[in-house]
Amino acid sequence: RKEVEQDPGPFNVPEGATVAFNCTYSNSASQSFFWYRQDCRKEPKLLMSVYSSGNEDGRFTAQLNRASQYISLLIRDSKLSDSATYLCVVAGSYIPTFGRGTSLIVHP
Amino acid sequence: EPEVTQTPSHQVTQMGQEVILRCVPISNHLYFYWYRQILGQKVEFLVSFYNNEISEKSEIFDDQFSVERPDGSNFTLKIRSTKLEDSAMYFCASSEASGRETQYFGPGTRLLVL
Repeated sequence: RKEVEQDPGPFNVPEGATVAFNCTYSNSASQSFFWYRQDCRKEPKLLMSVYSSGNEDGRFTAQLNRASQYISLLIRDSKLSDSATYLCVVAGSYIPTFGRGTSLIVHP
Repeated sequence: EPEVTQTPSHQVTQMGQEVILRCVPISNHLYFYWYRQILGQKVEFLVSFYNNEISEKSEIFDDQFSVERPDGSNFTLKIRSTKLEDSAMYFCASSEASGRETQYFGPGTRLLVL
């Protein structure tokens, strides 16, 4: 089983839509969880950390389910500028592990 | 806003040549990292560096690779004898604390080995 798995997509949605991504991880000892965003040929940029209680930042909501070992990202009211690849990152001890990313395309 | 910088942005080299990729981490950060991303693939951890020594490294980080912090600001990745499969984007990152904390990435160096 891969350490961090994501549906590669692409998710093709219209502006204004709500879209959700999941990410599963295999290491039950993982302690830190993040969603990063990566635009084509650019560096990953932190979107949000994921806390056990779940957290929200504007249109973005992240949740963690330790029992089932997955994290999720919900994007409400999608904008054209949300088009990117969303990377799930899981850190156990000191080495963060990246998923391959989920591609989102928001169209007019 | 402080940011991680990397030079050069692009590097083309011949197979077997040595390359040095340079990074300037965010000034108050203590942990430094190198990652690579082969075109179309996921970001892969290479090495982490703390207190002037390697703290963790992956299987990818073999004897051809080395890292150094030659002064108080630069953090370098050296590939001694490049191979075709070393062609990738190399990202430097830094964090205030360990890998469990948020990492900030530089813009990357695109390395092409011919």
